[in-house]
Amino acid sequence: QVQLVQSGAEVKEPGASVKVSCKASGYTFTNYYIHWVRQAPGQGLEWMGIMNPSGSTTGYAQKFQGRVTMTSDTSASTVYMELSNLRPEDTAVYYCARAVEMATQGAGYWGQGALVAVSS
Amino acid sequence: QSALTQPRSVSGSPGQSVTISCTGTSSDVGGYDYVSWYQQHPGKAPKLIIYDVTKRPSGVPDRFSGSKSGSTASLTISGLQAEDETDYYCSSFAGGYTWVFGGGTKLTVL
Repeated sequence: QVQLVQSGAEVKEPGASVKVSCKASGYTFTNYYIHWVRQAPGQGLEWMGIMNPSGSTTGYAQKFQGRVTMTSDTSASTVYMELSNLRPEDTAVYYCARAVEMATQGAGYWGQGALVAVSS
Repeated sequence: QSALTQPRSVSGSPGQSVTISCTGTSSDVGGYDYVSWYQQHPGKAPKLIIYDVTKRPSGVPDRFSGSKSGSTASLTISGLQAEDETDYYCSSFAGGYTWVFGGGTKLTVL
């Protein structure tokens, strides 16, 4: 079955960077796009970006342009989301999620989420 | 890339139907038939319940249905059950490999 397993919780200081991993299993890794979505405490879902795990295509929300980088390691069936220049308002649970089939469809499979806390 | 507009809350009694709206623009909801809806229980990852405006993933009850008119998409839940009480989010493709979410709607089953 499709599974996305994310890395654990992290605590970072303002100005630092964080890299969250998302290991996929149960399907052909390079065939499906991966979204990254975050949710601040008590707030709604916020779309951050999407990537083709083959590395050919990425798309980032305008808000995160210049601060976010999404990469993949096909040998490890793992995608990564790195967010730099962290601010306290970046404190959130970060989710990876796989597209149903086509990239334009919804995210049908989700990781368990990774809490990133930014505090001095 | 502004968030889609959803009502903050809706409510209904068991057995009734409720509809949650999701309003965007011609650049997102109105421009593409790629609207999705998610259900999220507290402390859990979101669950996809509708994609491509009207399609239901396997295992999602047919009590959940989606539609779209112009730049407004809607999620209708019929035969409300207690376990439907939670948060719902819409999302739309917005062109150029970008997506946008709505602000979320809290459903209360009275």
